[in-house]
Amino acid sequence: NAGVTQTPKFQVLKTGQSMTLQCAQDMNHNSMYWYRQDPGMGLRLIYYSASEGTTDKGEVPNGYNVSRLNKREFSLRLESAAPSQTSVYFCAGDWGQGYEQYFGPGTRLTVT
Amino acid sequence: AQSVTQLDSQVPVFEEAPVELRCNYSSSVSVYLFWYVQYPNQGLQLLLKYLSGSTLVESINGFEAEFNKSQTSFHLRKPSVHISDTAEYFCAVSDRGSGNQFYFGTGTSLTVIP
Repeated sequence: NAGVTQTPKFQVLKTGQSMTLQCAQDMNHNSMYWYRQDPGMGLRLIYYSASEGTTDKGEVPNGYNVSRLNKREFSLRLESAAPSQTSVYFCAGDWGQGYEQYFGPGTRLTVT
Repeated sequence: AQSVTQLDSQVPVFEEAPVELRCNYSSSVSVYLFWYVQYPNQGLQLLLKYLSGSTLVESINGFEAEFNKSQTSFHLRKPSVHISDTAEYFCAVSDRGSGNQFYFGTGTSLTVIP
């Protein structure tokens, strides 16, 4: 089993460009999450999907959109990248019962 | 909503010395508690968790944490650290009263000095 996978691992964008970060899991997770990690700020929730077909905003949703394509896949889209979106992005999943979340390896995004 | 506080952002400690990483959360009503570890340029891995039962939980690599409901704390300890324990450690709380939402602390960077 691959667990939670993310693509790409690294990305450099210019201000105003768009891109989609991909996340897939083979653990039959019901819930999936997108976080960003910035120095000294820990993990902040961007969006989450409690179940297939539903998405909700987290703590820092501005500038992002998400799609829960099916139970396995949850993508994060930046429509018009800004330097403030330079960060490390993590996807995570769980079975929705409050037990541990499983994390992907992360995507390091730089916006110049 | 919960808040999770990790008071120490950086903890340097000599090899083979004991260490304690502190974690406090705001409400002890119906929570699950976790410690995650993040090695450089990697994702977060679960280190240990408290769901129910014994308030003292242990990891396979010698860490332990104790759930203290009255003090709303879940401190992480290890009696003798190794160089390989150098990493970022995150405390997390799952609030069962708010749809099992996860809340993370800001992390503690543990550096083990040879």
